[in-house]
Amino acid sequence: KNEVEQSPQNLTAQEGEFITINCSYSVGISALHWLQQHPGGGIVSLFMLSSGKKKHGRLIATINIQEKHSSLHITASHPRDSAVYICAVKGGGADGLTFGKGTHLIIQP
Amino acid sequence: DTGVSQNPRHKITKRGQNVTFRCDPISEHNRLYWYRQTLGQGPEFLTYFQNEAQLEKSRLLSDRFSAERPKGSFSTLEIQRTEQGDSAMYLCASSPLGTNYGYTFGSGTRLTVV
Repeated sequence: KNEVEQSPQNLTAQEGEFITINCSYSVGISALHWLQQHPGGGIVSLFMLSSGKKKHGRLIATINIQEKHSSLHITASHPRDSAVYICAVKGGGADGLTFGKGTHLIIQP
Repeated sequence: DTGVSQNPRHKITKRGQNVTFRCDPISEHNRLYWYRQTLGQGPEFLTYFQNEAQLEKSRLLSDRFSAERPKGSFSTLEIQRTEQGDSAMYLCASSPLGTNYGYTFGSGTRLTVV
């Protein structure tokens, strides 16, 4: 069973700061997902990665397959970025995702 | 298509009652997943369907839980004889066939057992 660890668990930063959230996993995967969850439960898929780096607006996600590690970066953070960010991995089979516990991010104006 | 739809959004029930949740996935998505999320935790996998076939069930899915996807479209998750420990957010997601397609999540059904 894959273990997914995220750090930090909680992060409070000021508007405009550069944010980094880390994710480590224990066994080989076919894909890693970064998800955003707002209060009330709705989950939005931000990125799906199997190698390298992806960028969408102010969000950047990287993955290092050899080190079993991924990072999510937010540039020029804004209060509307406040949410829980969840890392989830998918094994080579067809089963469901294994999730980290999430990082609770608060961006203060 | 308006995405993955889950109903109801909230459900409060008394311990011992049965509850049923519904998930309508994106119409062309073959795979449908159910997850459960308790407060402060990440979601946990419960079960998934490929079309109408239930291909995997987690050990978390006790005998009181049953899921169906009769025509390969919408799915229902039923919990019989609810317990307080069943209180959680129940999330549904769907994806196309293939191992590396993204998931689309519903907004979830929040169950409170009193």
